[in-house]
Amino acid sequence: KNQVEQSPQSLIILEGKNCTLQCNYTVSPFSNLRWYKQDTGRGPVSLTIMTFSENTKSNGRYTATLDADTKQSSLHITASQLSDSASYICVVSARHSGYSTLTFGKGTMLLVSP
Amino acid sequence: NAGVMQNPRHLVRRRGQEARLRCSPMKGHSHVYWYRQLPEEGLKFMVYLQKENIIDESGMPKERFSAEFPKEGPSILRIQQVVRGDSAAYFCASKGLAVFKGNTQYFGPGTRLTVL
Repeated sequence: KNQVEQSPQSLIILEGKNCTLQCNYTVSPFSNLRWYKQDTGRGPVSLTIMTFSENTKSNGRYTATLDADTKQSSLHITASQLSDSASYICVVSARHSGYSTLTFGKGTMLLVSP
Repeated sequence: NAGVMQNPRHLVRRRGQEARLRCSPMKGHSHVYWYRQLPEEGLKFMVYLQKENIIDESGMPKERFSAEFPKEGPSILRIQQVVRGDSAAYFCASKGLAVFKGNTQYFGPGTRLTVL
């Protein structure tokens, strides 16, 4: 069964600080891994995407890493801002014949405090 | 280019009524996915449709739930005889042709269904 586990479940940090979110997955056949940001009451928005051969990908203050051997990924947020408060969801894509399916983690709820 | 549109944003139904959720994909997108998100849970895949075809409905309950994506008009997720357990946020996502790396799905704002 395809699964995506995220930790921590929730996190509170002070504005300006850095943080790292973790994602472990068992998804097969692996196609790619995405990190999404979901603001309260909104749909998820893609932050980064990595394929099997990519180890790291940056998008502004967001840096994602992928270790395909250990099936782990992390999302590092630097110099956090109040607007970073949201749920961060790790999503792993499995490639089937002709189309892909996504398995979602439950998300890490991040609160950036002033 | 407007993003994925969903309506209504909030829907309240009494047990036994029908719920109809609409999704208009991004312009030019012909692939639509429906997901359900229960409180404190991750999004769960329900169904994947292309224009006039259901590609994968493995995540959708066999009874009371149906989905369509007609040639013209939005995709519809229909829930008949709703029960309290159907209360959730329902998200639609769309994507274009599978020619670009990543094949990103773009999500709508969701419809929050509350069953009284």
